[in-house]
Amino acid sequence: ETGVTQTPRHLVMGMTNKKSLKCEQHLGHNAMYWYKQSAKKPLELMFVYSLEERVENNSVPSRFSPECPNSSHLFLHLHTLQPEDSALYLCASSQAVGIFGSPLHFGNGTRLTVT
Amino acid sequence: GENVEQHPSTLSVQEGDSAVIKCTYSDSASNYFPWYKQELGKGPQLIIDIRSNVGEKKDQRIAVTLNKTAKHFSLHITETQPEDSAVYFCAASRDDYKLSFGAGTTVTVRA
Repeated sequence: ETGVTQTPRHLVMGMTNKKSLKCEQHLGHNAMYWYKQSAKKPLELMFVYSLEERVENNSVPSRFSPECPNSSHLFLHLHTLQPEDSALYLCASSQAVGIFGSPLHFGNGTRLTVT
Repeated sequence: GENVEQHPSTLSVQEGDSAVIKCTYSDSASNYFPWYKQELGKGPQLIIDIRSNVGEKKDQRIAVTLNKTAKHFSLHITETQPEDSAVYFCAASRDDYKLSFGAGTTVTVRA
């Protein structure tokens, strides 16, 4: 059982919809991440939060809006997405940012399809 | 930024044989090299990692080697079993959080 839980597992949305992805970690970690995984491509880092403060915004379009209300929860708000945004969105957590011995723990992802 | 290349993209091995996946990286300042295994329908899970002050690390049937001069590192899986079938990702970073990932290797172990 993963210590990082993502909901929903699958999401289909139209380009004009607004939806949110949710992530919760039960590991007592202080850092949380959003990654995008597209077929046959490397994982792409989108956002990093450390103690609820955003420390990385990797040139992600504004139609993706993250929110980290506390160190256990992370959201990704989606609006006016494009079909090329269809992918697996992975949440991860780590004990801290930039500290040796603090590997990433991933959730099982949300499979997003934009129609 | 860091660029990580991973080969091969697919690998099919007979059960009991060894599997080797190789990665190269571009940033000579990278000092942390983890490997992740992703099973179908699941997120990546860390299986082993190595830091630049170590040349080799083993954990049961898996091992990782690092050649800093050549800027490449490899994952070795010995005595492969069906449960080793998965997608494997290498990654590199200067610190622990800004990982640059390879594109993945799909490993199939034939019974």
